[in-house]
Amino acid sequence: DAKTTQPPSMDCAEGRAANLPCNHSTISGNEYVYWYRQIHSQGPQYIIHGLKNNETNEMASLIITEDRKSSTLILPHATLRDTAVYYCIVRVLGIYNQGGKLIFGQGTELSVKP
Amino acid sequence: SAVISQKPSRDICQRGTSLTIQCQVDSQVTMMFWYRQQPGQSLTLIATANQGSEATYESGFVIDKFPISRPNLTFSTLTVSNMSPEDSSIYLCSVELPTDTQYFGPGTRLTVL
Repeated sequence: DAKTTQPPSMDCAEGRAANLPCNHSTISGNEYVYWYRQIHSQGPQYIIHGLKNNETNEMASLIITEDRKSSTLILPHATLRDTAVYYCIVRVLGIYNQGGKLIFGQGTELSVKP
Repeated sequence: SAVISQKPSRDICQRGTSLTIQCQVDSQVTMMFWYRQQPGQSLTLIATANQGSEATYESGFVIDKFPISRPNLTFSTLTVSNMSPEDSSIYLCSVELPTDTQYFGPGTRLTVL
């Protein structure tokens, strides 16, 4: 079973920041937080991942709380093309042949509206 | 990142037949994965395919139904055997890069009549 909890859906106005929350209260010390998104009928797209520090790349920012029990993915200026299902996943790394699993939950369906 | 292709992109098949899906990546990777996404559902991991070893299947998936080959570091196949309408899904492969990220192919949309 997925180890994360996300709201099933969210709306965001075009041009505004989209803040997608994720709860992972049972996360272990060696588990990373990953975010993927899936635009309709396409394969999932990697967005960002982190362990405990906040991370930023060209797509998004990832804010992880100090206790690591929750995180927020921030899309700073949402566009219509950001409409997708966003998945928050916790995952262990560094264990050969065991660190690869991504267990997908139901995700958050983000609708960006004009 | 990685460029991943899948063939076929979609197919319509008759029940009782089998379909082999191909996954090709543009660089050598150790770990490849196969997922299923049933209509309206999230992704479910079928198996992990490492080159040079038998695939490791997740609970609920068996080799007789979903045989997997991994002949080299850039290619894998998944066969859906003795298909029924319940096998209608999108099948996706993914690869693990040394950057600790997985990249997904575009998927194969299978409809079984």
